[in-house]
Amino acid sequence: AQRVTQPEKLLSVFKGAPVELKCNYSYSGSPELFWYVQYSRQRLQLLLRHISRESIKGFTADLNKGETSFHLKKPFAQEEDSAMYYCALGGSSNTGKLIFGQGTTLQVKP
Amino acid sequence: DSGVTQTPKHLITATGQRVTLRCSPRSGDLSVYWYQQSLDQGLQFLIQYYNGEERAKGNILERFSAQQFPDLHSELNLSSLELGDSALYFCASSRNSNNDGGEKLFFGSGTQLSVL
Repeated sequence: AQRVTQPEKLLSVFKGAPVELKCNYSYSGSPELFWYVQYSRQRLQLLLRHISRESIKGFTADLNKGETSFHLKKPFAQEEDSAMYYCALGGSSNTGKLIFGQGTTLQVKP
Repeated sequence: DSGVTQTPKHLITATGQRVTLRCSPRSGDLSVYWYQQSLDQGLQFLIQYYNGEERAKGNILERFSAQQFPDLHSELNLSSLELGDSALYFCASSRNSNNDGGEKLFFGSGTQLSVL
């Protein structure tokens, strides 16, 4: 079964501090991993996906298949990064559904 | 703007009632997904339709049903509503039926359902 675990419900850091939002997954197939962000109960927006190996708004995430992790990192947090972050898992060839973790609220204090 | 449109934005109703939520996908997208977001359950996948056919089913209650029409818009029907059905219901769309190549989902702004 597909499962995504985000162990922290809330992560609070000061502006300029490094940020790491943890994500672990369970999946027997070849995973597709994503990070979505939701600002103030707005719609979810894609932040980044592992296949693109991109950096968006200073965030990066590396897929570690050995540790089944896809942690989201940013070296210097900004106040505008405050939002809810969801890690999501896909990968089935039969469906495009994504399984989401419980989400982590990132609070960046001034 | 993701291009995914959901109506209504807010819906207030009473227990036992029936409501219909509507979603128009992005132009050209063939898949529509429904998700339920609540404080205690997080973001739960309900159901996916692809080009009019049901493709995947998640934690969708029997009181809930959905369909996708020939013009590709979708409706989620919730019946015999209970207090616990109060949640934000999101619709998302994608071009294809699967995640191959990291295909992403585009989300609508959601329908906030309040059951009183």
